[in-house]
Amino acid sequence: AQSVTQPDIHITVSEGASLELRCNYSYGATPYLFWYVQSPGQGLQLLLKYFSGDTLVQGIKGFEAEFKRSQSSFNLRKPSVHWSDAAEYFCAVVMYSGGGADGLTFGKGTHLIIQP
Amino acid sequence: GAGVSQSPRYKVTKRGQDVALRCDPISGHVSLYWYRQALGQGPEFLTYFNYEAQQDKSGLPNDRFSAERPEGSISTLTIQRTEQRDSAMYRCASSPGLAGGLDTQYFGPGTRLTVL
Repeated sequence: AQSVTQPDIHITVSEGASLELRCNYSYGATPYLFWYVQSPGQGLQLLLKYFSGDTLVQGIKGFEAEFKRSQSSFNLRKPSVHWSDAAEYFCAVVMYSGGGADGLTFGKGTHLIIQP
Repeated sequence: GAGVSQSPRYKVTKRGQDVALRCDPISGHVSLYWYRQALGQGPEFLTYFNYEAQQDKSGLPNDRFSAERPEGSISTLTIQRTEQRDSAMYRCASSPGLAGGLDTQYFGPGTRLTVL
């Protein structure tokens, strides 16, 4: 079964500093990977996704992620964070059953705190 | 345009009562997903529909949980004989195509269920 691990429960970053959120997946074949962001009181919003091709993926709000098969990782990065980036970030991988692609398996999330 | 809406936003019920949670997807979206999110966890896949057909219900925890989408639009998740362990945020998402988890999913704000 597919699984996702986000090793960091909380991360604190100063405004203007760079950010990297870690995500490791477990899946035998090529995974389809996503990063979602959840702001307080809001639904989850897609930041970016990786299916194939270029391993560096650009997303919204200045985020990017790099797929590294050798490390089973899909880490999220941003060169300079803004206070509005404070939120919960979830990495996810597509689930597969006998009938094909189903929903998503999410990690437990990383809570990002921005210091002024 | 309007996003995914869910109602009620908050539901408090007593143990043993039945509850019905409603999801109204984005107009024209053919796929609809239900997830459950416990505090401090990522969303957990429950079930999903293509049009009115339920594709996979293996994520439903037990037979007290059921879902329907009779006309291929609005969906209802019903929990019978609620238990305290059912307390969680229940999230709905919709996607425009039939690619299952490969499609971008658009999430609603969720229904916070508390079972006393």
